[in-house]
Amino acid sequence: GNSVTQMEGPVTLSEEAFLTINCTYTATGYPSLFWYVQYPGEGLQLLLKATKADDKGSNKGFEATYRKETTSFHLEKGSVQVSDSAVYFCALSDRSDNYGQNFVFGPGTRLSVLP
Amino acid sequence: GAVVSQHPSWVICKSGTSVKIECRSLDFQATTMFWYRQFPKQSLMLMATSNEGSKATYEQGVEKDKFLINHASLTLSTLTVTSAHPEDSSFYICSAKGLAGVNEQYFGPGTRLTVT
Repeated sequence: GNSVTQMEGPVTLSEEAFLTINCTYTATGYPSLFWYVQYPGEGLQLLLKATKADDKGSNKGFEATYRKETTSFHLEKGSVQVSDSAVYFCALSDRSDNYGQNFVFGPGTRLSVLP
Repeated sequence: GAVVSQHPSWVICKSGTSVKIECRSLDFQATTMFWYRQFPKQSLMLMATSNEGSKATYEQGVEKDKFLINHASLTLSTLTVTSAHPEDSSFYICSAKGLAGVNEQYFGPGTRLTVT
């Protein structure tokens, strides 16, 4: 079945450091890939997405490229801020029928950015 | 666009009582809604998928008689936790998918349930 693996956290960085959170997936077919962010006490917010191979999703300085050859969708940001402290979830969506879709989340990576 | 709300945002109830959580799509019609459960410091686990006007499809291991899901309209789905117990305490998150936005779900802010 489909699955998503993320690097284990927590990740602690100083402000303005470079961030990489690794994500790899296993899927049949051609899934769409997502990064969601969850701030403390809140629900999930879509951060970025990519729907086909070699697509690059970007938002708020974050970016990730859909790499089919390595089945990866690593999240990167050149200079993190304290406000980026949150839990980041990598996810894939594999539309399986006309109504539902098989949406699988990774375990999440907690990021703490220190001033 | 594509806003999903949940109500209440948090609720405390006594063991043995039932609690209803609402999930609404505010600016689009949701043909399908999903209910997730999230334990502290863990990922989301899909509990069930509901399509408007039909019975919900529950994931393996989720008790359908305990977690009652109703999707009576294209903008509202409800999750009722019946005879709640402390182990049902969790963060419940719904998401909605409309006719547009293929392969994307829009998530609600979540409801924190504490059963005492």
